[in-house]
Amino acid sequence: AQKVTQAQTEISVVEKEDVTLDCVYETRDTTYYLFWYKQPPSGELVFLIRRNSFDEQNEISGRYSWNFQKSTSSFNFTITASQVVDSAVYFCALSEVSGGYNKLIFGAGTRLAVHP
Amino acid sequence: DVKVTQSSRYLVKRTGEKVFLECVQDMDHENMFWYRQDPGLGLRLIYFSYDVKMKEKGDIPEGYSVSREKKERFSLILESASTNQTSMYLCASSAPGQGAGANVLTFGAGSRLTVL
Repeated sequence: AQKVTQAQTEISVVEKEDVTLDCVYETRDTTYYLFWYKQPPSGELVFLIRRNSFDEQNEISGRYSWNFQKSTSSFNFTITASQVVDSAVYFCALSEVSGGYNKLIFGAGTRLAVHP
Repeated sequence: DVKVTQSSRYLVKRTGEKVFLECVQDMDHENMFWYRQDPGLGLRLIYFSYDVKMKEKGDIPEGYSVSREKKERFSLILESASTNQTSMYLCASSAPGQGAGANVLTFGAGSRLTVL
């Protein structure tokens, strides 16, 4: 069965530190998508990135970068020079085709606290 | 700005009450979803809908039902609320996927339900 594991429940860092959030997934599909969402204290999940299974290029967007490695079934997320505004719960998710429909399977989330 | 609006941010209900959680989106999206978020469990899919008057069970549909009479509105119904349904409920919508599981979800801010 499809599964997403975010082993880090909580991470606490001091501002300007780099931090990596781990995501490991399991799937039997050859075509799939991986996502990261951010949930700030306001509650609304915000889309950060989508990556398809055929594109293993790493991506960088400002202070955010993502490392996708099919060989280890991982899609890790790094924040460089963290800021207090990065404090949130971060979710990794995997697409699943079930019964002809597309669904997302979410990990349990990692709560990141960035302290001044 | 595209929006998914959940009518109530906080609700307190008593055991056995019928509870309606309303969700409206203004993006003309075909797909709508209800998730439940609990600490340590991430987001779990309750029900989803790919069209008006159409519904499909997610991973944890027991104790819930849904209604989609109009494209923009997707309601989650707890026929007889129980204390184990105390949780954060998140509504989301998406346009049709660009391939298997490509859907980017737009989320509402969530409805935190407490059942006493």
